[in-house]
Amino acid sequence: DAKTTQPPSMDCAEGRAANLPCNHSTISGNEYVYWYRQIHSQGPQYIIHGLKNNETNEMASLIITEDRKSSTLILPHATLRDTAVYYCIVRVAQAGTALIFGKGTTLSVSS
Amino acid sequence: ETGVTQTPRHLVMGMTNKKSLKCEQHLGHNAMYWYKQSAKKPLELMFVYNFKEQTENNSVPSRFSPECPNSSHLFLHLHTLQPEDSALYLCASSQDAMGQHYEQYFGPGTRLTVT
Repeated sequence: DAKTTQPPSMDCAEGRAANLPCNHSTISGNEYVYWYRQIHSQGPQYIIHGLKNNETNEMASLIITEDRKSSTLILPHATLRDTAVYYCIVRVAQAGTALIFGKGTTLSVSS
Repeated sequence: ETGVTQTPRHLVMGMTNKKSLKCEQHLGHNAMYWYKQSAKKPLELMFVYNFKEQTENNSVPSRFSPECPNSSHLFLHLHTLQPEDSALYLCASSQDAMGQHYEQYFGPGTRLTVT
């Protein structure tokens, strides 16, 4: 079973920030938070990951609460191409450890 | 383009056929994975290979047979499949390095239809 809880769907207007929440209340001290997304019928795409500090890259920002029980993925200026299913996954950083996907959040960006 | 290629992209096969799916990664990674995604279901892990050795078999039926001849190639041999095996089959790879996080890079998938 997935260790995370995400809302099934969210809507966002093009150009606005998309804030996708994730609850992971049972996360262990050595588990990272990863975010992937899957555009329709394509393979999932890595977005960002973090352990306890906030992280930012060219795609998104990841905000992790101090108790690490929840996090938020932020797409600062959503575009139509960001419409996808977004998966929040917790796992240890170890080679050969598979990703356990839940149902994710379907983000719909509209103009 | 993620550096992970899969062929064929689409495959239609009968229940008595034998076919193979191929995955190749050009990233120098050491771990490779097969996932299955059925309609309206989350991705499910099938197999994991680390340095060509199978390290995980997620209770997959024997009609699916993986093969990893080297760190760059992964095959999934299919025989006597059932219609419920129709799905998107995804291959992924990741780097094996101490002290690093291990994001997985996915291929585009093979859309399999069993008739």
